[in-house]
Amino acid sequence: NAGVTQTPKFRILKIGQSMTLQCTQDMNHNYMYWYRQDPGMGLKLIYYSVGAGITDKGEVPNGYNVSRSTTEDFPLRLELAAPSQTSVYFCASRRALGDTQYFGPGTRLTVL
Amino acid sequence: AQSVTQLGSHVSVSEGALVLLRCNYSSSVPPYLFWYVQYPNQGLQLLLKYTTGATLVKGINGFEAEFKKSETSFHLTKPSAHMSDAAEYFCAVSDRRSNYQLIWGAGTKLIIKP
Repeated sequence: NAGVTQTPKFRILKIGQSMTLQCTQDMNHNYMYWYRQDPGMGLKLIYYSVGAGITDKGEVPNGYNVSRSTTEDFPLRLELAAPSQTSVYFCASRRALGDTQYFGPGTRLTVL
Repeated sequence: AQSVTQLGSHVSVSEGALVLLRCNYSSSVPPYLFWYVQYPNQGLQLLLKYTTGATLVKGINGFEAEFKKSETSFHLTKPSAHMSDAAEYFCAVSDRRSNYQLIWGAGTKLIIKP
């Protein structure tokens, strides 16, 4: 099992550009999550999904969009990138509520 | 609403000394409690978790944590620190009121002095 994979590892965007962060898991987990991590702030939930075709907002969804067309993939879309979106983004998945969340290695995004 | 407080954004201990990382949570219903570790430039990995049963939980790499309901605490300990323990540690809580979404502490960076 590769677990949770994320691409790219690093990216620099200009203000106003768009991009998609990819996340794939091969554990057949129903639940998938996108977090952002800012220094000294812990992790903040952006969006989550409880299964293919079902997504919902987390704590900080503004400026982001997601889709979940398959169980494996949960891409995060940034439209009109802003400096405030400079962060490290983590994707995670788990089999069921209350289970361990498994994390990807992260994407470090800088918006200049 | 649930919250997690980790005392100390940085904790420094000497190699071989006791490690104690503090975590207090607020939850009005039985919580699930987690400690995750993040090594530099890596994702988070689970150290240990408490769901039900025995309140003293043992995890990987010699770490353990004790759930104390009366103190709403879940402190992480290790008897003897190794240089390889240098990392950032995150405490998280979930319960049925949050639909089992994880609520995260701000993290504690553990520094090991030779």
